[in-house]
Amino acid sequence: AQKITQTQPGMFVQEKEAVTLDCTYDTSDPSYGLFWYKQPSSGEMIFLIYQGSYDQQNATEGRYSLNFQKARKSANLVISASQLGDSAMYFCAMRGLTQGGSEKLVFGKGTKLTVNP
Amino acid sequence: DAEITQSPRHKITETGRQVTLACHQTWNHNNMFWYRQDLGHGLRLIHYSYGVQDTNKGEVSDGYSVSRSNTEDLPLTLESAASSQTSVYFCASSPGGARGPLHFGNGTRLTVT
Repeated sequence: AQKITQTQPGMFVQEKEAVTLDCTYDTSDPSYGLFWYKQPSSGEMIFLIYQGSYDQQNATEGRYSLNFQKARKSANLVISASQLGDSAMYFCAMRGLTQGGSEKLVFGKGTKLTVNP
Repeated sequence: DAEITQSPRHKITETGRQVTLACHQTWNHNNMFWYRQDLGHGLRLIHYSYGVQDTNKGEVSDGYSVSRSNTEDLPLTLESAASSQTSVYFCASSPGGARGPLHFGNGTRLTVT
């Protein structure tokens, strides 16, 4: 079974600073994908970034980067130059990629990020 | 633009009533999912479908059912609503394949009184 753990219920960061949101995972699948979603107070789920377990480089998307440490089973999200609009809930999720395997995502419980001016 | 639409956005119902939440996607995705979101639990999978006539149970499927008669729609039915089913419900779809993220609807807030 797959499991995602986000140990930080809440995080605070000053505007323009960088912040790291932690995510650890557990899976028996040899191949898997890791996703991060943002949920602002308006409620919608916004896809941010994806990392495949066999990708050679850490994923980056604009101000978002993923610090992927496979041996430690961690996939931390790094947000650089925080903005007030980054205040939101952030969810880490994973999907096993075994041939014929399930395509559903398993989510962590989320981290609430607050960016202070 | 393609999208995924949930209706209604808000619903209040009484204990014991049957309720159906609609989900319609124009992405032409094979895979569709229903999640519920509760404080302290993140998103938990209720049911999912990999195509027409295919449905599967997720981790919290008791008291819920789905049917998939076409590619675009996956309605979620609460057979006899319970107060424990008060939650925010999200429908999502994906094209399948390793890297494809889920595309989410905007959610339905259901209150069971």
